[in-house]
Amino acid sequence: KAGVTQTPRYLIKTRGQQVTLSCSPISGHRSVSWYQQTPGQGLQFLFEYFSETQRNKGNFPGRFSGRQFSNSRSEMNVSTLELGDSALYLCASSLPSVEQYFGPGTRLTVT
Amino acid sequence: DAKTTQPPSMDCAEGRAANLPCNHSTISGNEYVYWYRQIHSQGPQYIIHGLKNNETNEMASLIITEDRKSSTLILPHATLRDTAVYYCISRRGSSNTGKLIFGQGTTLQVKP
Repeated sequence: KAGVTQTPRYLIKTRGQQVTLSCSPISGHRSVSWYQQTPGQGLQFLFEYFSETQRNKGNFPGRFSGRQFSNSRSEMNVSTLELGDSALYLCASSLPSVEQYFGPGTRLTVT
Repeated sequence: DAKTTQPPSMDCAEGRAANLPCNHSTISGNEYVYWYRQIHSQGPQYIIHGLKNNETNEMASLIITEDRKSSTLILPHATLRDTAVYYCISRRGSSNTGKLIFGQGTTLQVKP
C-alpha cells in the first residue's frame, strides 16, 4: 500500500507570497492532519480534516488555511508568507481513532 | 490529553537494548500511550501504543507500570538506524481526532 505523499518536497518563496502544499493520504484514510515543525517550537498541530470538513484547528493565524477534497486529498495554504513560516510541513493520514501515518514533509524556506 | 515528560537525550550501544522512559502521571483511565519516532528530517513514524497491558510488535515493546503513571519503550537490539527522536504521547482512546500533541521527545543516539 502506498504511503502518504506530499508535494512539493522543497519550496523556496519570498516574503509576502503565498504557497499551497499538497498531501495525498493512504488509500482508504479519510482523516488528514497537518503539522508544522520548526527548531524552536517543535512539532505543532495546524489542523485536521475529515470528510472534507475541518474537525480541529491548532493555534495558528488565519493566514494558514486548508481544505480537503472528496477523494480525501488535502491542501494547505499559507498567505502573506513571513520569514517565521520557514519550516517542515508534515501531513498525516489515518482511519479514525488509530495511529497516524506521516508523509515525508515539505520543506518551505521563506527568504 | 495528559502531559508527558521524557529525558531530552540518551545514548545506547549498538546491539544493546534501548530503554526509553516516559512519565505520564496525570494520565486518565481512557488515555492510551503512543510512541512515535522521527529520524532526522523525515516524517514521524508510529511505533507502538498501549492502554495498560504490556505490548510488543516487530519494532519494540511497551511496558506500562501498573499505576499507569509511567511507561518504557524498549528497542531490544538497537542499531545505528534507530538513532532518532522518540516521542511519547498520551491520547484518549475514544478520541475521534487525528490531533497529536508532541513534546520535545528523547533524542536517542545509538553508538557503535
